[in-house]
Amino acid sequence: GIQVEQSPPDLILQEGANSTLRCNFSDSVNNLQWFHQNPWGQLINLFYIPSGTKQNGRLSATTVATERYSLLYISSSQTTDSGVYFCAVAETSGSRLTFGEGTQLTVNP
Amino acid sequence: NAGVTQTPKFRVLKTGQSMTLLCAQDMNHEYMYWYRQDPGMGLRLIHYSVGEGTTAKGEVPDGYNVSRLKKQNFLLGLESAAPSQTSVYFCASSSMGSSNQPQHFGDGTRLSIL
Repeated sequence: GIQVEQSPPDLILQEGANSTLRCNFSDSVNNLQWFHQNPWGQLINLFYIPSGTKQNGRLSATTVATERYSLLYISSSQTTDSGVYFCAVAETSGSRLTFGEGTQLTVNP
Repeated sequence: NAGVTQTPKFRVLKTGQSMTLLCAQDMNHEYMYWYRQDPGMGLRLIHYSVGEGTTAKGEVPDGYNVSRLKKQNFLLGLESAAPSQTSVYFCASSSMGSSNQPQHFGDGTRLSIL
């Protein structure tokens, strides 16, 4: 099956800093989603981005499908951005999502 | 709209007991999914359904059964709970297969097996 690797596994920032999270995948995909799992365990949809670039406030994401990676940018980070960020992909021929192991982000005041 | 609703939110079972987790969605989605999340890991697919009356195995199906008698509901059953099934369970739905449409997730069910 498809492999999904996220980096870095852990990231600690001071409030106000910017960061870039990376997701590499091993095969062609038709679906890529970024999620934020908050400290209460809820999974929040951030982006549905199988290709191209999207922005939502301080967050933006870019997927380069031909090179099999996606980037999530967080600007001017806030303590509420803390949590785990997951990348999940679905293969072109598949109907299931495969998740990476996540990036644990801690934003300190 | 409530989106995807999971009940219960928390449950503690003894080894060998059975229980059913309920997932309900009000978005008229065709596809529904059950995942488990173990500490420090991403979600893994247990079973999924591509429509009413259908079910299919995911990555980690052993020890679980599912049913999709109504389009809006997807039930996950544990016939004889084991400590290895202690996990957080997430349900999701999508209008089409994951290769075409985003999945929408419930808030999870935290299950402990003693």
